[in-house]
Amino acid sequence: EAGVAQSPRYKIIEKRQSVAFWCNPISGHATLYWYQQILGQGPKLLIQFQNNGVVDDSQLPKDRFSAERLKGVDSTLKIQPAKLEDSAVYLCASSLGTEYTEAFFGQGTRLTVV
Amino acid sequence: AQSVTQLDSQVPVFEEAPVELRCNYSSSVSVYLFWYVQYPNQGLQLLLKYLSGSTLVKGINGFEAEFNKSQTSFHLRKPSVHISDTAEYFCAVSARPGKLIFGQGTELSVKP
Repeated sequence: EAGVAQSPRYKIIEKRQSVAFWCNPISGHATLYWYQQILGQGPKLLIQFQNNGVVDDSQLPKDRFSAERLKGVDSTLKIQPAKLEDSAVYLCASSLGTEYTEAFFGQGTRLTVV
Repeated sequence: AQSVTQLDSQVPVFEEAPVELRCNYSSSVSVYLFWYVQYPNQGLQLLLKYLSGSTLVKGINGFEAEFNKSQTSFHLRKPSVHISDTAEYFCAVSARPGKLIFGQGTELSVKP
């Protein structure tokens, strides 16, 4: 079974530029999550989708971050404009549904903002 | 609200020695508890989880954890570690399925 796919693996941008990350969850998984992991910290949930609807985006900085999950499958996370403090690993995860506790994580995208 | 405290940021240990990684949590409601492992440049992999029932939970790679409600702890243990266990370990709590609150992580370094 294929795992959660993310791209790109690495990205370096200058502050005030924009960037987008892509995630393809495990086939059949209705729930998709984006986490931000700053160096030295545990992952923090940014947004949770159930199919193509948002379940929780309470910790998403909506002035600069946006996410969408068209057709309830793939998802993109965008940052515009980026700040230095956005440097982090962005992890995508998926699970069968909101009632399932186990989430499967992708390898992440490491973003460096200079 | 929930929070997780991992009491050790780094744990060095020799190969074949036992290890315990400590995790305390805070919550006003019942929670599910998890341990995840993250190898370098990899995503997180679930080691084990406590949902209900027996307080001693066995996971993959020989790890186990014990849920202690009175002490609000969920410590991870392994009786004999291998070099390949070198990784970052994260404790997490969830008051509802899907929303994981992670601790800061514990870096386990196994030396030959």
